[in-house]
Amino acid sequence: GESVGLHLPTLSVQEGDNSIINCAYSNSASDYFIWYKQESGKGPQFIIDIRSNMDKRQGQRVTVLLNKTVKHLSLQIAATQPGDSAVYFCAEGGGYSTLTFGKGTMLLVSP
Amino acid sequence: DTGVSQNPRHKITKRGQNVTFRCDPISEHNRLYWYRQTLGQGPEFLTYFQNEAQLEKSRLLSDRFSAERPKGSFSTLEIQRTEQGDSAMYLCASSEWGQARDEAFFGQGTRLTVV
Repeated sequence: GESVGLHLPTLSVQEGDNSIINCAYSNSASDYFIWYKQESGKGPQFIIDIRSNMDKRQGQRVTVLLNKTVKHLSLQIAATQPGDSAVYFCAEGGGYSTLTFGKGTMLLVSP
Repeated sequence: DTGVSQNPRHKITKRGQNVTFRCDPISEHNRLYWYRQTLGQGPEFLTYFQNEAQLEKSRLLSDRFSAERPKGSFSTLEIQRTEQGDSAMYLCASSEWGQARDEAFFGQGTRLTVV
């Protein structure tokens, strides 16, 4: 389940489960959204992106859903693996604006 | 390796000293960004370049901070008279703005510790 840690919301799942990480964005004018994965000591790594003219986009084992009405973004990871353990950030931007990051969610996958 | 490269990976400096970090973006990317990240937080935007032009600076970028991208390729970020509050991970990213996909690719970051 979800819990709030010292710094980050944390989602703990078992290996093989599906994970859903949620993000609320702030700027209704944003038209481009990205999910990043960040492992300890490393820079953010691009996972998947979506533009505002779409409400769903699928990648390999990942799906991003966008609900512009409530300014909500989610990342679904199918068959979660221990290697998926990391902090996940959503970022919003588009056009002439730069990316603005959310606070992140830590995903912990137990074998 | 054709990714974004940052040097050094780690820097420890005494308060009051100046430091300079370097970022080499992906070669065909025209945009270069600097972000700062503290523990438990998402990256915070500092500044970005379109080719050699610095187009935007965050209010987080105090007068002690300066960034350059003289030839539209690599960039440097200098912090003068460092303070303990400058301790953070400094991230560089690059993108090919204007294409159908303009996601930013990040480097591994430079971790600065001011003692």
